[in-house]
Amino acid sequence: LAKTTQPISMDSYEGQEVNITCSHNNIATNDYITWYQQFPSQGPRFIIQGYKTKVTNEVASLFIPADRKSSTLSLPRVSLSDTAVYYCLVGDDMNNNAGNMLTFGGGTRLMVKP
Amino acid sequence: ETGVTQSPTHLIKTRGQQVTLRCSSQSGHNTVSWYQQALGQGPQFIFQYYREEENGRGNFPPRFSGLQFPNYSSELNVNALELDDSALYLCASSLALGTPGTEAFFGQGTRLTVV
Repeated sequence: LAKTTQPISMDSYEGQEVNITCSHNNIATNDYITWYQQFPSQGPRFIIQGYKTKVTNEVASLFIPADRKSSTLSLPRVSLSDTAVYYCLVGDDMNNNAGNMLTFGGGTRLMVKP
Repeated sequence: ETGVTQSPTHLIKTRGQQVTLRCSSQSGHNTVSWYQQALGQGPQFIFQYYREEENGRGNFPPRFSGLQFPNYSSELNVNALELDDSALYLCASSLALGTPGTEAFFGQGTRLTVV
């Protein structure tokens, strides 16, 4: 599985847009990029997944350049409740028996301040 | 709420003892995985069960074992507990389709403390 690198921590203020970039230089052709969010003492929660270009859902956007060696999670207008750890994962969801053998790195600790 | 429930929520065990953690998958999900999360670190994959068979394992010793039942619920067993086994143990379920966008749903975890 491709290794990912992301900032250890980030600070932001309420109402701002937050962009968290993840590097995955060794991403394979079949690999998808997935982001999870984790609050203290809770399990991670799926945010968004993409393969290329841009994906948007009600929570976030995911930008993936053509070479797919990095990706950026964009959280619009963050609130205090967005304070959490955000994990970038890269793996093959096509050929394993479930998208469930996940490799987590250290994640990015986002602190949203009032 | 993800529909994945784990029990117990907290547990204290003595070094050398054995422990069993339980997980009820989200309805209809046939795949369950277990993860160990030490304080301040990301979750580490222990193993995965698909239709009652182990079909993937991370870098954990054999004293970590598991079961998946016909109703797709699961157990994680750890023998000969060590102090370093203290962690949050997470269960995740999903529906294996071999298609993209398979989302894993995590439970809230069991906090195990070994003293």
